[in-house]
Amino acid sequence: GENVEQHPSTLSVQEGDSAVIKCTYSDSASNYFPWYKQELGKRPQLIIDIRSNVGEKKDQRIAVTLNKTAKHFSLHITETQPEDSAVYFCAHSGSARQLTFGSGTQLTVLP
Amino acid sequence: NAGVTQTPKFRVLKTGQSMTLLCAQDMNHEYMYWYRQDPGMGLRLIHYSVGEGTTAKGEVPDGYNVSRLKKQNFLLGLESAAPSQTSVYFCASSWAGRDTEAFFGQGTRLTVV
Repeated sequence: GENVEQHPSTLSVQEGDSAVIKCTYSDSASNYFPWYKQELGKRPQLIIDIRSNVGEKKDQRIAVTLNKTAKHFSLHITETQPEDSAVYFCAHSGSARQLTFGSGTQLTVLP
Repeated sequence: NAGVTQTPKFRVLKTGQSMTLLCAQDMNHEYMYWYRQDPGMGLRLIHYSVGEGTTAKGEVPDGYNVSRLKKQNFLLGLESAAPSQTSVYFCASSWAGRDTEAFFGQGTRLTVV
């Protein structure tokens, strides 16, 4: 199937702490795993992505790890700030070329 | 460049009415998608297109039809609107290939009463 499971659905962290969001998928042909951030009332926007030939990618305070054997990938945000509060979606590109999203994680960074 | 533009931004329909949502992109993208977003459900794929003249069903296609007569436009039609179709609809587009960024429109908030 093409589904992707995302956990947790909500996450609250203290400012400065780290946040981790995890996703699992079932389509072994998936080779592209982006993460999107959606602020309230706005459109989703890409924040980081990883391709299947790479195990980890980092961009300043955000990083994504991929385990193709276990079929899961994770988003890591370090030194969280209030502006990180948003809904985060994982996604993957399946064998039929469609882009499928997880159900989202509402991240709240508490001051 | 305007990017991805959706028309209209808001709409209220009565049950049984029909309407068409328009998505236009000026980035010469091959792939286009229509999603609906409901609380706690994430972004669910309705239909998508991998090129002009082609369309395919996504996860929740029932009650919707689409057309891609021109490369830059992707239309989503509701033939007979139902309250269950109350949602925020997002269009997205991307370059050809399975590993490219999708750019989203600003969304259309549709209410069916």
